[in-house]
Amino acid sequence: DGGITQSPKYLFRKEGQNVTLSCEQNLNHDAMYWYRQDPGQGLRLIYYSQIVNDFQKGDIAEGYSVSREKKESFPLTVTSAQKNPTAFYLCASSIPGPYRPSSYNEQFFGPGTRLTVL
Amino acid sequence: GQQVMQIPQYQHVQEGEDFTTYCNSSTTLSNIQWYKQRPGGHPVFLIQLVKSGEVKKQKRLTFQFGEAKKNSSLHITATQTTDVGTYFCARVYTGNQFYFGTGTSLTVIP
Repeated sequence: DGGITQSPKYLFRKEGQNVTLSCEQNLNHDAMYWYRQDPGQGLRLIYYSQIVNDFQKGDIAEGYSVSREKKESFPLTVTSAQKNPTAFYLCASSIPGPYRPSSYNEQFFGPGTRLTVL
Repeated sequence: GQQVMQIPQYQHVQEGEDFTTYCNSSTTLSNIQWYKQRPGGHPVFLIQLVKSGEVKKQKRLTFQFGEAKKNSSLHITATQTTDVGTYFCARVYTGNQFYFGTGTSLTVIP
């Protein structure tokens, strides 16, 4: 089955610890995204990557870091510098990188990771 | 200028009633997408609108894009309990960045 996997589904960490959330896709998509969702709010973009070894900050990148060493993988690290890390984190992918027309840019989401910092 | 505002934030309807959510932007949109997120789930793409005045239907769902391409709406006719969830609009910005509205949470009362 093709799709996006995120692990783990639930994650608990102590305050001050860094934590890395996994996101893997086998859809052969160029672009990958990380969003944060808080209760009653929409999705806010943390980081996105349109191609391997390249990524850009979104609206709320402070306290987060990413890497894109492989097309299939886009892990997100929530660092201790993130002041309010407890949230639902969603990873997404879409077909186009920088060289494809924007009409083919439906986003496919993973099941999400719910992070709780104690 | 990148935000899209969505109203209402919450809507409770009796099963069988109609439902509409609106998405508004202060700037012209190149396109607008709609997603549905079931409770406890993840957003799932519903549709993309590109042309001014465009209307698309999916069974009981009707999607519209305004003539000025600054607003969009999603209308559900005769809601069912399976329609429960949060509906998001999203604008696609240059560089394939996506900006999501705050969503409308729909509750359907049987």
